[in-house]
Amino acid sequence: SYELTQPPSVSVSPGQTARITCSGDALPKQYAYWYQQKPGQAPVLVIYKDSERPSGIPERFSGSSSGTTVTLTISGVQAEDEADYYCQSADSSGTLRVFGGGTKLTVL
Amino acid sequence: EVQLVESGGGLVQPGGSLRLSCAASGFTFSSYWMSWVRQAPGKGLEWVANIKQDGSEKYYVDSVKGRFTISRDNAKNSLYLQMNSLRAEDTAVYYCARDDSSGWYWGQGTLVTVSS
Repeated sequence: SYELTQPPSVSVSPGQTARITCSGDALPKQYAYWYQQKPGQAPVLVIYKDSERPSGIPERFSGSSSGTTVTLTISGVQAEDEADYYCQSADSSGTLRVFGGGTKLTVL
Repeated sequence: EVQLVESGGGLVQPGGSLRLSCAASGFTFSSYWMSWVRQAPGKGLEWVANIKQDGSEKYYVDSVKGRFTISRDNAKNSLYLQMNSLRAEDTAVYYCARDDSSGWYWGQGTLVTVSS
């Protein structure tokens, strides 16, 4: 079965830049999406179609893609950004959805 | 405003059945793919199943094939997940989501606990 691979954890100090990667063989062919989830809450979309930012999401959130890896970048990290982040995409056929294992962002 | 409200969760014994529902509002339900996603306690998100706008195509993660059935009623703006032969490992919060190329909208989830 198709898998997306994320690092389990990333730690940064406030004001620094956090980068969270997501790797998968079908990513050159399928868009990636990023979701933020805080404890006890439903996920919230922060990036769609690799690099588009939904309205209401701060400009410090950005996304990029290169080959089989997509990256979520949070510039000038704030304490409120501490959360779990999940990438999501589809298999090469576009029919089966898949999530990465999630990355816990800790703001030191 | 897009709203998705799940219901039907609860405690069920191993081998039992449960039917989850998701009531949609604030958008044209019949125009979108819909998905179910689950999250076991302390674990990550796992996509479970999705269904095309007219119900003609349905796809499942391997671990639920043959046990779970996704369906929809566009006249009632509702999505369903029939879960049979439930196992302890099916214990999770189940979310319904609007499966959209511009990003997913999520409900708040309903908890399913499989335990004797």
